[in-house]
Amino acid sequence: GDSVTQMEGPVTLSEEAFLTINCTYTATGYPSLFWYVQYPGEGLQLLLKATKADDKGSNKGFEATYRKETTSFHLEKGSVQVSDSAVYFCAPLLSGAGSYQLTFGKGTKLSVIP
Amino acid sequence: NAGVTQTPKFQVLKTGQSMTLQCAQDMNHNSMYWYRQDPGMGLRLIYYSASEGTTDKGEVPNGYNVSRLNKREFSLRLESAAPSQTSVYFCASSELAGSTDTQYFGPGTRLTVL
Repeated sequence: GDSVTQMEGPVTLSEEAFLTINCTYTATGYPSLFWYVQYPGEGLQLLLKATKADDKGSNKGFEATYRKETTSFHLEKGSVQVSDSAVYFCAPLLSGAGSYQLTFGKGTKLSVIP
Repeated sequence: NAGVTQTPKFQVLKTGQSMTLQCAQDMNHNSMYWYRQDPGMGLRLIYYSASEGTTDKGEVPNGYNVSRLNKREFSLRLESAAPSQTSVYFCASSELAGSTDTQYFGPGTRLTVL
């Protein structure tokens, strides 16, 4: 069935380092793809999204490109900051039980140290 | 504009006790959701309400009931709590279920069942 696989953490980086968090999915067709972020003690919030192949979503310096050939949506940032410390969730909109719902990966915890 | 609010923030129950988690949104959204978040599991959908007057099961509905009281409010009830229901519960809302619309999350309720 449809599913999502996300790089497991935790990931610890120094400030200004390059970040990549891998996400791949299995689906029939071409689902819309999302990254959500959860800051400590808070609920999730949308970081970025892409709704069709080759689209690039971007926000707050983060980017992810919809790659239909590899069914991937990897999250990247060129220079992380301490304030980026959070848990990141990949979430494709997948079909299940007769409807389309967000299907969340297990989350990747990022810690950025000064 | 408070967004999505949840009460209570924390709760401790004994096995077999019942309780209701409350959720309200002030964004005039049609769709509302209940998720649970467990370590290493990401978020899993318990129930959702695509529109006022309708509710549907998600991935993990067993042991829970829901009520869409009106367009603003969506409650989650545990009739007989079990230790396996120890989790963090998130309510979310969006304009339209199963679409590319952003889901907005509440701050969560941390529930412990002893």
